[in-house]
Amino acid sequence: QKEVEQDPGPLSVPEGAIVSLNCTYSNSAFQYFMWYRQYSRKGPELLMYTYSSGNKEDGRFTAQVDKSSKYISLFIRDSQPSDSATYLCAMSEGGGNKLTFGTGTQLKVEL
Amino acid sequence: DTGVSQDPRHKITKRGQNVTFRCDPISEHNRLYWYRQTLGQGPEFLTYFQNEAQLEKSRLLSDRFSAERPKGSFSTLEIQRTEQGDSAMYLCASSLALGADSPLHFGNGTRLTVT
Repeated sequence: QKEVEQDPGPLSVPEGAIVSLNCTYSNSAFQYFMWYRQYSRKGPELLMYTYSSGNKEDGRFTAQVDKSSKYISLFIRDSQPSDSATYLCAMSEGGGNKLTFGTGTQLKVEL
Repeated sequence: DTGVSQDPRHKITKRGQNVTFRCDPISEHNRLYWYRQTLGQGPEFLTYFQNEAQLEKSRLLSDRFSAERPKGSFSTLEIQRTEQGDSAMYLCASSLALGADSPLHFGNGTRLTVT
């Protein structure tokens, strides 16, 4: 079993929909949780960075961390075709430390 | 552009040849990471440096792989005697060491194709 599990999708939604992306993990030492967006043939781009449990909002994006359930989520409101990409969850034991990634969820937002 | 820079963007080589990739991190970042990503998978950790010291290597990093960061700035990753299984995207990332607010920032990678 992988340390970080993520549904690979693909997930297809209409423009304007609310998107929910999730990851589960097994390592209770993880303290920092991130979401990266990756377009085809590009490197991962940091979207959200959170420490420990709780919510963080940035524009149309909301990240939630539930350490008791070892479950993290990313919500995208008012989804746009430009949001079509692969979304990777990642986590680490310390700030600035090496990351363990999920496999990524491929998202397509259709007009 | 002050982000992480990687060169070349794409490398095609024949099996058995040696290849070298370069990474220039964000200038004030003292940690530098190498990851490998294959199609449909998330990036996998290979190794990292703090300044010029290589502090950790993954078991994925076979003896054919070597990484250096001689002056604590740019880094190189060399693969000797390439195999078809080495075909992947090689990603470099940088961060500030042990900072509470120091996520990893990635470059756009070097895509290696071994024929």
